[in-house]
Amino acid sequence: DAKTTQPNSMESNEEEPVHLPCNHSTISGTDYIHWYRQLPSQGPEYVIHGLTSNVNNRMASLAIAEDRKSSTLILHRATLRDAAVYYCILRDGRGSNYKLTFGKGTLLTVNP
Amino acid sequence: DSGVTQTPKHLITATGQRVTLRCSPRSGDLSVYWYQQSLDQGLQFLIQYYNGEERAKGNILERFSAQQFPDLHSELNLSSLELGDSALYFCASSLPWEGGYTFGSGTRLTVV
Repeated sequence: DAKTTQPNSMESNEEEPVHLPCNHSTISGTDYIHWYRQLPSQGPEYVIHGLTSNVNNRMASLAIAEDRKSSTLILHRATLRDAAVYYCILRDGRGSNYKLTFGKGTLLTVNP
Repeated sequence: DSGVTQTPKHLITATGQRVTLRCSPRSGDLSVYWYQQSLDQGLQFLIQYYNGEERAKGNILERFSAQQFPDLHSELNLSSLELGDSALYFCASSLPWEGGYTFGSGTRLTVV
């Protein structure tokens, strides 16, 4: 599985934007970039995914570098409820074997 | 409610026993994935089923087995339980192609 590198932790203030980086220098052409987050004592929650173009949804935006070797998850206005572990994962889009391999993720702390 | 239902939510059992964890995927999802999350190991992929067939295997012990039934629900069987098997077990489901995964709220297994 192609690997991703994320900072262990980041801190933000409430109502400020947060940019969570992810490096994936060995990404292949068929790998989708997925982001999930996990709040304490809950299952992981899908946030957003993309292949080549930047993506926006109601939760966040995903900015993908032109060479696809890095990406950034953008939370436009952090709230206390956004405090979680954020995982950046590459998912091979070929065939029907789509297992996600979770790393350690980034622990986001949001200060009031 | 994510649409993925896991039962039971909590399970306490003794070493050497056998338990069955159940997962009902989101309507329309053909793939089911099982993950184990313990404090020191993070989220570990165990096994994937797609439309009743096993498609991918991760770090699943021989004491563990799973299956997916014709109605697409899945069961994870854990036998000869050890203290180290105490963990959160998550089930996730997804559509066949490149969309996101939906996780259940998990089953917390405690082996005493």
